[in-house]
Amino acid sequence: AQSVTQPDIHITVSEGASLELRCNYSYGATPYLFWYVQSPGQGLQLLLKYFSGDTLVQGIKGFEAEFKRSQSSFNLRKPSVHWSDAAEYFCAVGGGATNKLIFGTGTLLAVQP
Amino acid sequence: GAVVSQHPSWVICKSGTSVKIECRSLDFQATTMFWYRQFPKQSLMLMATSNEGSKATYEQGVEKDKFLINHASLTLSTLTVTSAHPEDSSFYICSARVPLGSTETQYFGPGTRLLVL
Repeated sequence: AQSVTQPDIHITVSEGASLELRCNYSYGATPYLFWYVQSPGQGLQLLLKYFSGDTLVQGIKGFEAEFKRSQSSFNLRKPSVHWSDAAEYFCAVGGGATNKLIFGTGTLLAVQP
Repeated sequence: GAVVSQHPSWVICKSGTSVKIECRSLDFQATTMFWYRQFPKQSLMLMATSNEGSKATYEQGVEKDKFLINHASLTLSTLTVTSAHPEDSSFYICSARVPLGSTETQYFGPGTRLLVL
């Protein structure tokens, strides 16, 4: 079955600290992988995506993610977190003709001053 | 580019009434749009896939007659919640797929918060 797991429901980091949000997926074919961010009461904004090629992808707002096929993971990282990064982050997997996205349950990021 | 809008951003209605939510792709044509529902502190659940010029495809457990979807043009899809009840209160988000030929990516609207009294 296709699924996405985000093990961390809630993470708190200090401003300026590094960040890593975990994402594991289960998908039968070669996956398309996405990270989206959602601010309170807002829609989702695409941070980055992986389709093929270089397994380290760069996104907006200084985020990057690394696709590791052997670990079925696509973790999101940022070297130095800013207070404005506080939001909820969703990992998603999709692909195929239907292009349906399957979302993880999200990780809520809090940033301490 | 790839901007998706939704209208209204929030709506309050009485139980038993119908509510229409619009989803528009502003700077591109979208043959496929998706409708999601999100409950508080939960992830997005796909409700249906909306295809321009054809019937929507609903996910298992989603009532077709309650959630009417019309994809009338390449830039507009509408979701009508018919005979709304308090349990329909939720955050509804649409997305539009960037057309074939480019990378397969969904861009999301800002969402519509529905409160049924």
